[in-house]
Amino acid sequence: DADVTQTPRNRITKTGKRIMLECSQTKGHDRMYWYRQDPGLGLQLIYYSFDVKDINKGEISDGYSVSRQAQAKFSLSLESAIPNQTALYFCATSDLRGQGNQPQHFGDGTRLSIL
Amino acid sequence: AQSVTQLDSHVSVSEGTPVLLRCNYSSSYSPSLFWYVQHPNKGLQLLLKYTSAATLVKGINGFEAEFKKSETSFHLTKPSAHMSDAAEYFCVVSDPSRGGKLIFGQGTELSVKP
Repeated sequence: DADVTQTPRNRITKTGKRIMLECSQTKGHDRMYWYRQDPGLGLQLIYYSFDVKDINKGEISDGYSVSRQAQAKFSLSLESAIPNQTALYFCATSDLRGQGNQPQHFGDGTRLSIL
Repeated sequence: AQSVTQLDSHVSVSEGTPVLLRCNYSSSYSPSLFWYVQHPNKGLQLLLKYTSAATLVKGINGFEAEFKKSETSFHLTKPSAHMSDAAEYFCVVSDPSRGGKLIFGQGTELSVKP
């Protein structure tokens, strides 16, 4: 979905480095999410934000932090990367209306490899 | 607690034959259910969603899914597979008790043979 843009698309880095993944959206949605995808495990929620002042931990937040700089921007940081954080990372957005009935719209993902 | 189980990790069909991807859900609430598709090197795209309006839901690209409360199932079907349908498919339930957070199944990889 071109309305949700993730940068970079691919990143290779070394253990111990700090990494930031960025997400921006033009959909005007209040809610933004970061997921991690590993083969055979589906997507797991790392962090989510319902507005600029609201940040919540997901299922697997350890080792990650986030910043909601504006309604349209939500970044994910790995303070000290480790090899088992090698994965495909997705940002998603959803509309506030309708509570749980609104689908989420995904970016194309960031493939992160930590050596 | 909400959960979904996709009963097959991999499904292989021939082009032109029907597709059936199976999904069972567990929910304490009247669920909102979705099917997403993921093509290689792409994000997830919404195929269809069920939000209690009609039990048979039509989606994009000829896919449809039927919500069966008695069987707690939400299977995805297509009458005739096309090569471009080869992708990974995710069954997803929304948890309204936690602001609509999505809970994903493990995924089913669909292969389409010529």
